[in-house]
Amino acid sequence: DAMVIQNPRYQVTQFGKPVTLSCSQTLNHNVMYWYQQKSSQAPKLLFHYYDKDFNNEADTPDNFQSRRPNTSFCFLDIRSPGLGDAAMYLCATSARTGLLETQYFGPGTRLLVL
Amino acid sequence: GENVEQHPSTLSVQEGDSAVIKCTYSDSASNYFPWYKQELGKRPQLIIDIRSNVGEKKDQRIAVTLNKTAKHFSLHITETQPEDSAVYFCAASTYDYKLSFGAGTTVTVRA
Repeated sequence: DAMVIQNPRYQVTQFGKPVTLSCSQTLNHNVMYWYQQKSSQAPKLLFHYYDKDFNNEADTPDNFQSRRPNTSFCFLDIRSPGLGDAAMYLCATSARTGLLETQYFGPGTRLLVL
Repeated sequence: GENVEQHPSTLSVQEGDSAVIKCTYSDSASNYFPWYKQELGKRPQLIIDIRSNVGEKKDQRIAVTLNKTAKHFSLHITETQPEDSAVYFCAASTYDYKLSFGAGTTVTVRA
């Protein structure tokens, strides 16, 4: 059964046209993460939510925003995509139980910017 | 912040041989060390992890060792098979619930 779901799997957008990627989870985890991964590189953390608390990484461009309307869903908004934003975007979740818990990744959304 | 270095960047082994990947970390407060395997076009998948109160952990052909004093940890894959070919990432985490990833190792198992 799918635990972390990302839609769409492939997204094509035009330069400067806003785009939203979605992530949902059935694990009831309270932490959700968004990563950007470019070819042959490690995933780069953009931001994460602990419940409704939003935590932005210092080097995440303002062009990237996120929303988490409830425990199950999290969205990544790219306000004005540039060619350099073409990448795989990975959503991940983990439980915060007092111990460090595994991060489970979704299948990713591959974004192409034309 | 945490800095994780991973070596080698590429590794080619003959089927049946062992593969070893090494990582070092900078933050002595790090206490959780997962390893992820990522096949081309797919998600990173956890293959094994170790916490700071354990020195070694084994799961079938995969083992991880941790040396907290030296701040390094290693992944060992024995009896490699073609399906072990993938990119492997080590990571380290403190109680801020964020993972710092190594740059990755591309493992190729030659048949």
